[in-house]
Amino acid sequence: SQQGEEDPQALSIQEGENATMNCSYKTSINNLQWYRQNSGRGLVHLILIRSNEREKHSGRLRVTLDTSKKSSSLLITASRAADTASYFCATLSEKLVFGKGTKLTVNP
Amino acid sequence: GAGVSQSPSNKVTEKGKDVELRCDPISGHTALYWYRQRLGQGLEFLIYFQGNSAPDKSGLPSDRFSAERTGESVSTLTIQRTQQEDSAVYLCASSLLEGQPQHFGDGTRLSIL
Repeated sequence: SQQGEEDPQALSIQEGENATMNCSYKTSINNLQWYRQNSGRGLVHLILIRSNEREKHSGRLRVTLDTSKKSSSLLITASRAADTASYFCATLSEKLVFGKGTKLTVNP
Repeated sequence: GAGVSQSPSNKVTEKGKDVELRCDPISGHTALYWYRQRLGQGLEFLIYFQGNSAPDKSGLPSDRFSAERTGESVSTLTIQRTQQEDSAVYLCASSLLEGQPQHFGDGTRLSIL
């Protein structure tokens, strides 16, 4: 069954703008992970946030987790054309379950 | 290379034929996963291997699907009597331990004519 649900399904922005993607889930989790997938490639792990953490940073990425609302957000600051990809959240309870993804397009 | 390797990268076959997909995980990774991804969709869990434990086959869609893993090395996913709805990208991933970040191969794109 689907656990994480990303929002929006698609997002188109201009280079230099920030991109925010959201993930909502239904049951309690151990951790939440964000992945990126370029067209025709496998997924690449970006960042993992544990259930007792509220915020994590990695370069231009910022992830927040609100366990009371069962939601997470991924913020990409100062976006680049190379950030164009699909972004998936994955929640770990008994197993890792992936959402359907947000397709991000960054226009030069 | 040091990443997860999948072969073939593309496979086109006729309906009713059997196909075998291969995954070479990262050395030392005890956990190995197979997923199916239909065009524009998310990942659908198929099967999970963890060390010498019995695999979690709960995601296999029918008895036409099976997978094996030899120890903590290569895994093969077999689809028998392929149907057109089996057309998808089949992704393999491995992780050091269950629940840790997964490392993905680039997948096998399967097309059933």
